[in-house]
Amino acid sequence: EVQLVESGGGLIQPGGSLRLSCAASGFTFSTYSMNWVRQAPGKGLEWVSYISSSGTTIYYAESVKGRFTISRDNAKNSLYLQMNSLRAEDTAVYYCAEYNTSSAFRYWGRGTLVTVSS
Amino acid sequence: DIQMTQSPSTLSASVGDRVTITCRASQSISSWLAWYQQKPGRAPQLLIYKASSLESGVPSRFSASGSGTEFTLTISSLQPDDFATYYCQQYSSYWTFGQGTKVEIK
Repeated sequence: EVQLVESGGGLIQPGGSLRLSCAASGFTFSTYSMNWVRQAPGKGLEWVSYISSSGTTIYYAESVKGRFTISRDNAKNSLYLQMNSLRAEDTAVYYCAEYNTSSAFRYWGRGTLVTVSS
Repeated sequence: DIQMTQSPSTLSASVGDRVTITCRASQSISSWLAWYQQKPGRAPQLLIYKASSLESGVPSRFSASGSGTEFTLTISSLQPDDFATYYCQQYSSYWTFGQGTKVEIK
């Protein structure tokens, strides 16, 4: 069974940093691209960042470019999102999601809540 | 950037109704479109990929069509479990979601 489990969320002050993790199991993590998607309270879904299976290709949404860094450790079956210079508008549930060209975002984690507030 | 626009934003319907949600892309995305269902407090669930392919395990009352810039998701006979928010997503150029359509009980 495919499982994606996010962790690392919490309450952080504006300007602070946080590192999210996503632990994958039940599939060959190293062969799949991964994404982070977020959802602000009561709002819709927003794609945040993409990383290819090898980690060599990376994309970011304009809203987080220069502040967030996506990475992965295929040996540990883990995906990460380093978030710096956090703003109130970054408050959201952050989901990791597996991606392939054929079936888009087939598997999602349950999400981890990041709250940026003083 | 490709923008995705869903209509309506909210849809009130009854059990047994046929429901259709529309999604428009700001430029052609061929068939690189997915539909997701999301219930409160839960992660989105993939329903449809490549515009019209039903994800394994998804009930056959869900169907979808379209290509280019115009797409539709249809629920042939709305069931109690279908009251949720539905999102379209393009994956032709990066990834963009529509703003969502909430299907609520009439």
